[in-house]
Amino acid sequence: QKEVEQDPGPLSVPEGAIVSLNCTYSNSAFQYFMWYRQYSRKGPELLMYTYSSGNKEDGRFTAQVDKSSKYISLFIRDSQPSDSATYLCAMSDSGGSYIPTFGRGTSLIVHP
Amino acid sequence: EAGVTQSPTHLIKTRGQQVTLRCSPISGHTSVYWYQQALGLGLQFLLWYDEGEERNRGNFPPRFSGRQFPNYSSELNVNALELEDSALYLCASSLAGQLAQETQYFGPGTRLLVL
Repeated sequence: QKEVEQDPGPLSVPEGAIVSLNCTYSNSAFQYFMWYRQYSRKGPELLMYTYSSGNKEDGRFTAQVDKSSKYISLFIRDSQPSDSATYLCAMSDSGGSYIPTFGRGTSLIVHP
Repeated sequence: EAGVTQSPTHLIKTRGQQVTLRCSPISGHTSVYWYQQALGLGLQFLLWYDEGEERNRGNFPPRFSGRQFPNYSSELNVNALELEDSALYLCASSLAGQLAQETQYFGPGTRLLVL
């Protein structure tokens, strides 16, 4: 079992839909959780960063962490065609090395 | 403020050759990370440099190596290229690699094709 599991998709939704992207993990030491967006043939860009459990909201994006279930989510409200990209979850522990472990990424397609 | 830059953008090599990829971090960042993103796979951690020293390396053979210069820029060297080395190589930088709170900012990557 990989440390971080993420469904590669693709996930296809109509414009305006609420999108839910998820990752599960097995390492209970993970404390820091990130979501990156990666457009085709580009490097990932940081979208959301959360520490420990709870919710964090930034505009149309909401990140949720449920450490008891080892499950994290990214919600996108009022999705736009420009949101079409691959979304990568990443997480790390509080140890000294801080090397994040990434999921494989979920491909999202928002069609007009 | 300029982001992380990488060169070249694309590269084609043949098996057995050697390649050097370059990365310039965001100004003020001292840590540089290298990742491999092969088609259909997630980002695989390769190397982490901080203050000129190699701090950690991922599960890759020794033919993957690198260094960090006094200006914090970095090179990734891959010797004896194999077909499966074909991938997008991403560089990221952060303010201080030893602090988990610091997040990584990625460059656009170098796409390497090995024929």
